[in-house]
Amino acid sequence: DQQVKQNSPSLSVQEGRISILNCDYTNSMFDYFLWYKKYPAEGPTFLISISSIKDKNEDGRFTVFLNKSAKHLSLHIVPSQPGDSAVYFCAVGNTGKLIFGQGTTLQVKP
Amino acid sequence: GAGVSQSPSNKVTEKGKDVELRCDPISGHTALYWYRQSLGQGLEFLIYFQGNSAPDKSGLPSDRFSAERTGGSVSTLTIQRTQQEDSAVYLCASSPVVGDNSPLHFGNGTRLTVT
Repeated sequence: DQQVKQNSPSLSVQEGRISILNCDYTNSMFDYFLWYKKYPAEGPTFLISISSIKDKNEDGRFTVFLNKSAKHLSLHIVPSQPGDSAVYFCAVGNTGKLIFGQGTTLQVKP
Repeated sequence: GAGVSQSPSNKVTEKGKDVELRCDPISGHTALYWYRQSLGQGLEFLIYFQGNSAPDKSGLPSDRFSAERTGGSVSTLTIQRTQQEDSAVYLCASSPVVGDNSPLHFGNGTRLTVT
């Protein structure tokens, strides 16, 4: 039973446009949420996070939105760049460990 | 400074053999985590260490899997009598402390192929 779901396995976006990656979770007790980015043959790298007391956190081109009532998390990248092409994982904090979604492969076309 | 180091980067083994995967965390990081990513799947939690103890081993798939950490530093993940379904990328991560707001720093993983 998956506690964290990324329902879109892939997303293709034109350079300069907005990329929106989505994530749903099941347990309302989760209180910390993160996004990681992964290039092939490398480990995931931390991108941005948000705690449950906030509904938005912004860092440059990256913004994470949290809708607790809907148990929904999203990552907005604007403007998207070809170097953003990677696999994006959402993760939720649960008693010391992170539970990851299945990942969404983002392709940004020049 | 140096990041999380994992060795070997690739390992091919025959079904039934034992394998040992090694992780060197970032110096001073007390928390260490093992995950694996099977083909086309997300990251699956295996075990984490706080210092040398493992408060949560709930993700280990079977009793063929074990892990230890010594000196609060290096960790080894051992898989006995490997099976083809064990083929995956095994990722190690560390963080300064155990806690939901402490981002994990991942190594590049060990790609295990069981033939």
